[in-house]
Amino acid sequence: KQEVTQIPAALSVPEGENLVLNCSFTDSAIYNLQWFRQDPGKGLTSLLLIQSSQREQTSGRLNASLDKSSGRSTLYIAASQPGDSATYLCALLYTGTASKLTFGTGTRLQVTL
Amino acid sequence: DVKVTQSSRYLVKRTGEKVFLECVQDMDHENMFWYRQDPGLGLRLIYFSYDVKMKEKGDIPEGYSVSREKKERFSLILESASTNQTSMYLCASSIDRRFPQHFGDGTRLSIL
Repeated sequence: KQEVTQIPAALSVPEGENLVLNCSFTDSAIYNLQWFRQDPGKGLTSLLLIQSSQREQTSGRLNASLDKSSGRSTLYIAASQPGDSATYLCALLYTGTASKLTFGTGTRLQVTL
Repeated sequence: DVKVTQSSRYLVKRTGEKVFLECVQDMDHENMFWYRQDPGLGLRLIYFSYDVKMKEKGDIPEGYSVSREKKERFSLILESASTNQTSMYLCASSIDRRFPQHFGDGTRLSIL
């Protein structure tokens, strides 16, 4: 069974800090990895998608990296803002498992003033 | 802007009722998905559909069925609601049948 772990489950940082969210997985036979953001009571918004052949993707203040050999992905958020407060989920699409993303349970981020 | 709309944000039903959750997308996507989200368990796929009248089971289809009569609409049906189906239900659509891209805001369903 493929497992996707996100630690810590919750994180609080002061505004302006750079921070890293972690995603660990046990099976490296992945097709791609996505990072999503979920605001309270809302659906998911896709932030970044990294293909298996890529090492990282960047969008504005966000940078996601992928290291298949160590079974790890990180989401780096630069100069955090209160508007970044949300739950961040990683999700992996494994090769050979059509149409079934495996989601982590998420890290709830709070950026304080 | 792309939009996936779920008909209800909050819904309260009784045990044994037949419950319908509706989802509509305006992007002409062929692929649509239903997930449930529970604390500590993450998102789990219930059913997905890659074309009108086509459906495939996800990881937890028991107790659920789906209907896709039109391309833009994908309905999740709880045949006889039970308390363990109390959850947040999320609908999604996608160009790619392997993974969802656009999510609705969810329906928080409580079964009493």
